[in-house]
Amino acid sequence: NAGVMQNPRHLVRRRGQEARLRCSPMKGHSHVYWYRQLPEEGLKFMVYLQKENIIDESGMPKERFSAEFPKEGPSILRIQQVVRGDSAAYFCASSPSWGSRGYTIYFGEGSWLTVV
Amino acid sequence: EDKVVQSPLSLVVHEGDTVTLNCSYEVTNFRSLLWYKQEKKAPTFLFMLTSSGIEKKSGRLSSILDKKELFSILNITATQTGDSAIYLCAGELNNDMRFGAGTRLTVKP
Repeated sequence: NAGVMQNPRHLVRRRGQEARLRCSPMKGHSHVYWYRQLPEEGLKFMVYLQKENIIDESGMPKERFSAEFPKEGPSILRIQQVVRGDSAAYFCASSPSWGSRGYTIYFGEGSWLTVV
Repeated sequence: EDKVVQSPLSLVVHEGDTVTLNCSYEVTNFRSLLWYKQEKKAPTFLFMLTSSGIEKKSGRLSSILDKKELFSILNITATQTGDSAIYLCAGELNNDMRFGAGTRLTVKP
């Protein structure tokens, strides 16, 4: 039973390019969360999605960032026109449903974005 | 603004020592407090705490929540080098989680 799969694990982009990070949730999970971990900081919530719906994007920067979770295929976090400050580890997590059972959130191993 | 603050930010101890990691929180619509251990890979779940004063234990690790004073502690006894990691505390809200910055624990042989 594969866990949450993220790819690529490491991505290098030049300033101004686009970065696409993919997340395949655990089998049977329909809820996906994206977090960003900046150096020396904790995990920060970005967006919460269910299939074909964005439930909460209060942590997403207003510009250049977008996320989707289509009916078929992985969830994608897209960063347009990347800047150096976007360099971070991006973690995806999934759960079968959101409730009071926070321990059912399973994290992927992260995607490390480096902007040069 | 919802926030979770952990202390200390980093800690270096020797094998066999006992450590206490602190987490204070101010979150609206609080549901639970969670502790994770993060090594090189993804955070792994340790504890979920919802009730005050009830200690949860798992081997050498234990944790307790004080909902009146809005804090939690994570204790690790008889530390081992394998305990070296970043320990994350998170406050669970209705639809979200707020993570602290983590405590980086280094256990020296």
